[in-house]
Amino acid sequence: GEDVEQSLFLSVREGDSSVINCTYTDSSSTYLYWYKQEPGAGLQLLTYIFSNMDMKQDQRLTVLLNKKDKHLSLRIADTQTGDSAIYFCAEHSGGYQKVTFGTGTKLQVIP
Amino acid sequence: EAQVTQNPRYLITVTGKKLTVTCSQNMNHEYMSWYRQDPGLGLRQIYYSMNVEVTDKGDVPEGYKVSRKEKRNFPLILESPSPNQTSLYFCASRSITGQGPYEQYFGPGTRLTVT
Repeated sequence: GEDVEQSLFLSVREGDSSVINCTYTDSSSTYLYWYKQEPGAGLQLLTYIFSNMDMKQDQRLTVLLNKKDKHLSLRIADTQTGDSAIYFCAEHSGGYQKVTFGTGTKLQVIP
Repeated sequence: EAQVTQNPRYLITVTGKKLTVTCSQNMNHEYMSWYRQDPGLGLRQIYYSMNVEVTDKGDVPEGYKVSRKEKRNFPLILESPSPNQTSLYFCASRSITGQGPYEQYFGPGTRLTVT
């Protein structure tokens, strides 16, 4: 199947910006997602971007999509301690109704 | 409240003792799925179901069974658990109709330890 790759760990200071990167492989993906997993909980959809968009902004979150390089990023502005979590990118391959998740990036916010 | 429930939340068992993890959703979703989460490997899909009586293998189906007799329930069955099935398991559901974005709703997870 397709591989979705992320770095495993990111550490930032409170108030700084965080950028979490993801590389996907299926060029036919229709939607790309960012899910957040807080400690001891299931995943929750944080934001998503449709494949015909380059950028999506939602309050402190900015998603950038580079289809040529199959690269997706999530920027969190003014990172807070409550943003500490594992962030998963995922791609939806419309033809197969399949969603493939990445390995997850653990974000640690240092006060 | 829209939710996916799983039971039990924690389970410690011994090798070879059959077990079932239940999953139920109240959103009338057609699609349900089971994942396992392991450190450094992310979420890997075990089985999924597109509707009642329709199930298919995901990426890591070996050692697992599922059934979908009712739309709301999707139990995961380990007929002869082994230590390499020690993991954190998540059930998820979503709609497959409409234009998207096909958000998946996850249960709280079941932490399984097989000794």
